[in-house]
Amino acid sequence: DAGVIQSPRHEVTEMGQEVTLRCKPISGHNSLFWYRQTMMRGLELLIYFNNNVPIDDSGMPEDRFSAKMPNASFSTLKIQPSEPRDSAVYFCASSPGTVSGLSYEQYFGPGTRLTVT
Amino acid sequence: AQKVTQAQTEISVVEKEDVTLDCVYETRDTTYYLFWYKQPPSGELVFLIRRNSFDEQNEISGRYSWNFQKSTSSFNFTITASQVVDSAVYFCALSEGNAGNMLTFGGGTRLMVKP
Repeated sequence: DAGVIQSPRHEVTEMGQEVTLRCKPISGHNSLFWYRQTMMRGLELLIYFNNNVPIDDSGMPEDRFSAKMPNASFSTLKIQPSEPRDSAVYFCASSPGTVSGLSYEQYFGPGTRLTVT
Repeated sequence: AQKVTQAQTEISVVEKEDVTLDCVYETRDTTYYLFWYKQPPSGELVFLIRRNSFDEQNEISGRYSWNFQKSTSSFNFTITASQVVDSAVYFCALSEGNAGNMLTFGGGTRLMVKP
């Protein structure tokens, strides 16, 4: 079975440029998450979708960040304009979601290493 | 508010030693879930285990074992007879029953197993 797929795996861009990160969740999973990992802040949840609807975006740093999930098999995280402090590894994860309060594990993609110069 | 604390930022052991990674959590919910993830040097996050708050039985999977104690709000992870391939960062995480599926991660423990 294919796991969570992320692209690109590495992205190097100049400050001010637009960056789009892509994610394909595991088929049949209802929940999708975007995380950011840095040495300083560790793993931070940016946004969480359930059945393609954004549920919690309180972790999105600022208006430069936006995320969409147009269908159950695709999500994007966009940064516009990018800044050097956005340099991090961005992970996408998916989960079967919740059923009657049960909470399932999340399966992570390989991550996208973003470097903004 | 929920919180996960992994007090050990870095542990170094010699191969074949046993090692325990500590995880202490805080939550006001009576229904919650605890997880461990492994992040090897290659960078991906690998799911290891999920436990719910109503199941305090310890679990063993090969060289890995987990000790869940509600009385001390701890969910510790022990690797028996450690191997070099166990070298990784290990994250403990918590999901509250009313928080959808959102995880709160601890800061991670970097385990280095030397040959």
